[in-house]
Amino acid sequence: AQKITQTQPGMFVQEKEAVTLDCTYDTSDPSYGLFWYKQPSSGEMIFLIYQGSYDQQNATEGRYSLNFQKARKSANLVISASQLGDSAMYFCAMRGVITNAGGTSYGKLTFGQGTILTVHP
Amino acid sequence: DSGVTQTPKHLITATGQRVTLRCSPRSGDLSVYWYQQSLDQGLQFLIQYYNGEERAKGNILERFSAQQFPDLHSELNLSSLELGDSALYFCASSVRGAANEKLFFGSGTQLSVL
Repeated sequence: AQKITQTQPGMFVQEKEAVTLDCTYDTSDPSYGLFWYKQPSSGEMIFLIYQGSYDQQNATEGRYSLNFQKARKSANLVISASQLGDSAMYFCAMRGVITNAGGTSYGKLTFGQGTILTVHP
Repeated sequence: DSGVTQTPKHLITATGQRVTLRCSPRSGDLSVYWYQQSLDQGLQFLIQYYNGEERAKGNILERFSAQQFPDLHSELNLSSLELGDSALYFCASSVRGAANEKLFFGSGTQLSVL
């Protein structure tokens, strides 16, 4: 079974500073993917960044980077130069891999409980 | 705009009733997922379809059913509704449903069961 743990219910950061949102995971799948999504107060889920379990380098997408430590089973999201618009709920998610007879790999996305980030001016 | 369309945005109904939520995936996406988000359970995976066939099943109640049609749109049917079914229901899509594909989410349907 897959499990995602986000231990920070809420985080506060000053505008223009960096912030790290924690995520640990547990899985027995040899291959998996890790995702971060942002959910602003409007409710939509916005994809931020992806890290594959076999990727050698940490993923980066603009101001977002993923600090992937495979041995520790952690996939922390780092937001640099925080902006007021970054205030939102952030979800860490993991996707295991199931390969069917046809060779197609897939898997459900399991989400953590989320961290509410508040950026202060 | 993610390209995933969900209708309706809001739905208010009574216990015991039946509702249908609709989802149109992004153009070209073959895989559709349904998620339920509630305050106490968080985001729960319900079911996944790929090109019309059920691919994976999560914590979906027997009172709930879904299908994906030949034009790739999907519907989630919720019947014998209970107060606890009140939640935000998301549809998401991806190209093939591969493990490394990101999911694009719709804006959700807020269901209120009174």
